[in-house]
Amino acid sequence: DVKVTQSSRYLVKRTGEKVFLECVQDMDHENMFWYRQDPGLGLRLIYFSYDVKMKEKGDIPEGYSVSREKKERFSLILESASTNQTSMYLCASSLLTGAQDEQYFGPGTRLTVT
Amino acid sequence: DQQVKQNSPSLSVQEGRISILNCDYTNSMFDYFLWYKKYPAEGPTFLISISSIKDKNEDGRFTVFLNKSAKHLSLHIVPSQPGDSAVYFCAASEWSGGSNYKLTFGKGTLLTVNP
Repeated sequence: DVKVTQSSRYLVKRTGEKVFLECVQDMDHENMFWYRQDPGLGLRLIYFSYDVKMKEKGDIPEGYSVSREKKERFSLILESASTNQTSMYLCASSLLTGAQDEQYFGPGTRLTVT
Repeated sequence: DQQVKQNSPSLSVQEGRISILNCDYTNSMFDYFLWYKKYPAEGPTFLISISSIKDKNEDGRFTVFLNKSAKHLSLHIVPSQPGDSAVYFCAASEWSGGSNYKLTFGKGTLLTVNP
């Protein structure tokens, strides 16, 4: 079974803090993704990575950065957290890069920025 | 501009009946469509998919239909069970450069199956 784990289920941070969200997958998947889920907006892609040290911007990258130093680990960084970044953050991974490739999701981190 | 639209935020059906969840898209470059199911406090899980060159794919109680000319797809669940109660996301895959693809998700539809 593919397992995608996220470092925290719940996180509360203050405005202006630097926030790290960690994601680890154990199936040697090439591709990893960060999404945020907001009510009425669905899942929106923030960043993704197809290889170690590679990253691509998704649909809403502003205010975020990522790091992929090892294949199994993909970190999302909020350089200076703001209240509009309060959201559910979901990490996903996939093995292949084909159109039909299924993504496996972690349980999510609910981040609250106060 | 929303490229994948799920216009019904919620749907309620009786156990044993058919559930039909709809999805519309605008981008003709999408070449694969996937449905994900999400329970509260869990990440989405893959349910079923369909290639843009097909019009139907079936897996047990779940069938996805694609009408490419109308840019419309639907997920049928027959018979519906209370355990199917979840948020269902429609997603579409498009080429993002090189050999890579990315998914665009709809907003989701909350399905409630009443016993």
